[in-house]
Amino acid sequence: AQSVTQLGSHVSVSEGALVLLRCNYSSSVPPYLFWYVQYPNQGLQLLLKYTTGATLVKGINGFEAEFKKSETSFHLTKPSAHMSDAAEYFCSVTLSGGYQKVTFGTGTKLQVIP
Amino acid sequence: GAGVSQSPRYKVAKRGQDVALRCDPISGHVSLFWYQQALGQGPEFLTYFQNEAQLDKSGLPSDRFFAERPEGSVSTLKIQRTQQEDSAVYLCASSLLGEGNEKLFFGSGTQLSVL
Repeated sequence: AQSVTQLGSHVSVSEGALVLLRCNYSSSVPPYLFWYVQYPNQGLQLLLKYTTGATLVKGINGFEAEFKKSETSFHLTKPSAHMSDAAEYFCSVTLSGGYQKVTFGTGTKLQVIP
Repeated sequence: GAGVSQSPRYKVAKRGQDVALRCDPISGHVSLFWYQQALGQGPEFLTYFQNEAQLDKSGLPSDRFFAERPEGSVSTLKIQRTQQEDSAVYLCASSLLGEGNEKLFFGSGTQLSVL
């Protein structure tokens, strides 16, 4: 079984400030971890994913995340927030092996203040 | 097609009505998923198809929910005798093979409101 916990349903940052969205996972086997972004009235889009290999992964729009097995975390960061980053972000986990049964977190809504 | 297409975009139903939600995945994608997203929540898994075979329907909330993908492409999610608790956004996603390390491609969803 797997689960995902996202700390903070709403996060506000100033434009140009660091963005940090937290995600912790629970998994009985090595996980595959994903961050998706959802803009209003749109479907979810993949930001980045960790499968194997390098634990620091870079995604689109300047976002990156680091897989830390010892902390069971996969936090999403961006050095400098832009107004266009305002959206809802979902962390998700899939177990390696088996089919693609994805478990999503409850989401974090990011507000960027000008 | 270029992306995953869902219709209708919005659906208002009276309690007790049957509804049918359509998903047209990306051409050639073997795997298709349905998710339910309640307000303020993340997507919750409903069911999974590999081609025309429904391999997992463990997330369907009740026997009022039924999904099919008869020719391995377009899928329909049907909800019979809708209840207010069925109000949610229903998301469809597809992937090429359905392997754990693949990205999901999502449609924009159908927002269902049951009055």
